Amino acid sequence: AQSVTQLDSHVSVSEGTPVLLRCNYSSSYSPSLFWYVQHPNKGLQLLLKYTSAATLVKGINGFEAEFKKSETSFHLTKPSAHMSDAAEYFCVVTDYNTDKLIFGTGTRLQVFP
Amino acid sequence: GAVVSQHPSRVICKSGTSVKIECRSLDFQATTMFWYRQFPKQSLMLMATSNEGSKATYEQGVEKDKFLINHASLTLSTLTVTSAHPEDSSFYICSAGTDATDTQYFGPGTRLTVL
Repeated sequence: AQSVTQLDSHVSVSEGTPVLLRCNYSSSYSPSLFWYVQHPNKGLQLLLKYTSAATLVKGINGFEAEFKKSETSFHLTKPSAHMSDAAEYFCVVTDYNTDKLIFGTGTRLQVFP
Repeated sequence: GAVVSQHPSRVICKSGTSVKIECRSLDFQATTMFWYRQFPKQSLMLMATSNEGSKATYEQGVEKDKFLINHASLTLSTLTVTSAHPEDSSFYICSAGTDATDTQYFGPGTRLTVL
């Protein structure tokens, strides 16, 4: 069965410093992996998606994620945090058999001025 | 592209009444729509999956008679919370997808408060 583990429930960074949100996955198959962002009281917005075409995936708002099969990781990064990046981030994998999305527990990103 | 809307964004109702939430795909045809529930500071919990023109498939533990789902067209799905109680208060989010991709596009959510 597929699963994702988000290693940090909270991450705090200063504005202008790099962001790293960690995600490890478990899958018997080549997975489809996503990062979604949720701002307070809002729905989820797709940041980026990995589908095996390229291991380094570039998303919106300057975010990118690298698929590392050897480490079963799909960490989300951004070189320079902005105040508007403060939100909840979810790492998600698709269940191979049902196409249902399997969500991580989320990481809350705080950005301090 | 791939915009999903929900209506209403917020609703407050009295205990015992029913509430309908609409989910629309605005610029694409959604063969499948999903309904999620999210409790404060928690992740999303899938409630049910609906395909246009057929009955919804509910996740284990979700009461199908309480959470009625209708997917009447390729652009509209509705969730009706029947005989709502305070414990049904939550943030309900829909998403839509197509056969062509496993990406789901999420609506902005509906905050339901049952008094």
